[in-house]
Amino acid sequence: NAGVTQTPKFQVLKTGQSMTLQCAQDMNHEYMSWYRQDPGMGLRLIHYSVGAGITDQGEVPNGYNVSRSTTEDFPLRLLSAAPSQTSVYFCASKGNGKNTEAFFGQGTRLTVV
Amino acid sequence: AQSVTQLGSHVSVSEGALVLLRCNYSSSVPPYLFWYVQYPNQGLQLLLKYTSAATLVKGINGFEAEFKKSETSFHLTKPSAHMSDAAEYFCAVSDWSGANNLFFGTGTRLTVIP
Repeated sequence: NAGVTQTPKFQVLKTGQSMTLQCAQDMNHEYMSWYRQDPGMGLRLIHYSVGAGITDQGEVPNGYNVSRSTTEDFPLRLLSAAPSQTSVYFCASKGNGKNTEAFFGQGTRLTVV
Repeated sequence: AQSVTQLGSHVSVSEGALVLLRCNYSSSVPPYLFWYVQYPNQGLQLLLKYTSAATLVKGINGFEAEFKKSETSFHLTKPSAHMSDAAEYFCAVSDWSGANNLFFGTGTRLTVIP
């Protein structure tokens, strides 16, 4: 089973460049989310979606856009990369209910120079 | 709003010694709590979760956690550490809004000394 697949695994961007981080899941989960992981700060929620066509902001949404046109895909867009966006990004999906397990991708390590 | 606090960003134990990783929660309603583990250069995977069915929860790899409402705690323990337990551990709480978001603590890095 593929689970949650993120691409790319590594990326280096120059300040001001744009890019899209891809995330796909094959578990038919309605809920998907993006987190960033920084040393000493744990995982912070960027954006999330509770179903196709529905997205909302998390704790740290500035500088990121998302869309959800299908149940399977939830891309994260950086419109104009900044050094402060250097981080490891994780996509996650989970089933309905507050006690359900979240499944994580392997992460994308992004460096903005 | 729900939140969790992990005390100790780094914990070192000797192989075979008790592992104790601390997590305290803040919630005005009974929480759903989780422990996740992250091995180097990997994503997070679920160790165990508390869903109010039992206060002592057993997870994978010999880990367990006890929910203590009076102490607002959900500490993670393992009787005997193994070298393979070296990883980063995150406590998380489920949001009580309709979105089911998870909010994570800052993590505890466990080092196991041979």
